[in-house]
Amino acid sequence: GENVEQHPSTLSVQEGDSAVIKCTYSDSASNYFPWYKQELGKRPQLIIDIRSNVGEKKDQRIAVTLNKTAKHFSLHITETQPEDSAVYFCAAESQAGTALIFGKGTTLSVSS
Amino acid sequence: SAVISQKPSRDICQRGTSLTIQCQVDSQVTMMFWYRQQPGQSLTLIATANQGSEATYESGFVIDKFPISRPNLTFSTLTVSNMSPEDSSIYLCSVGERGRGDTFGSGTRLTVV
Repeated sequence: GENVEQHPSTLSVQEGDSAVIKCTYSDSASNYFPWYKQELGKRPQLIIDIRSNVGEKKDQRIAVTLNKTAKHFSLHITETQPEDSAVYFCAAESQAGTALIFGKGTTLSVSS
Repeated sequence: SAVISQKPSRDICQRGTSLTIQCQVDSQVTMMFWYRQQPGQSLTLIATANQGSEATYESGFVIDKFPISRPNLTFSTLTVSNMSPEDSSIYLCSVGERGRGDTFGSGTRLTVV
């Protein structure tokens, strides 16, 4: 089955810096890769996703890149703000209609 | 995206008892899943709730411990049976809406004493 590795487990940046979180997946058949943000005590919320037929997707300060050959995808947050502080999870869907498999999460801390 | 009502939001239960968690969706959905999230950890898939048939369980999870019902396309329940303190966790249901992002219920925080 699908296995998703996520790095780093913790990331501390200064406000205004960029943050990058990387994930690798094992199943070459995977074709959907979402990223979730989870604030303390709240449910995970989708922030951006990408499908395998696209190499990059942007939404304001957030971007995701996908390299299918290398089986890795990354989340990029530019101009970080204190409210970006949260736990971020990457995930992969190995087959259409199946559940998402999640990485272990990255705790991002943005200090002002 | 779909709106999910999950209840209870939290409960404290005695060991050896069972708790049933409910998820109600405001629209018909094909894909519905149950996850467990232990404190400070990631989301671990328990099972896929299949409408009209038995749930599909992941390795390490069995039907006798986590029976699941999915009587229709808008509702599912997860029961945590014969609970022990190791079952203390947050349990989340989710619906699969690929392209719009899977949506999660608000979670059930279970403490077993």
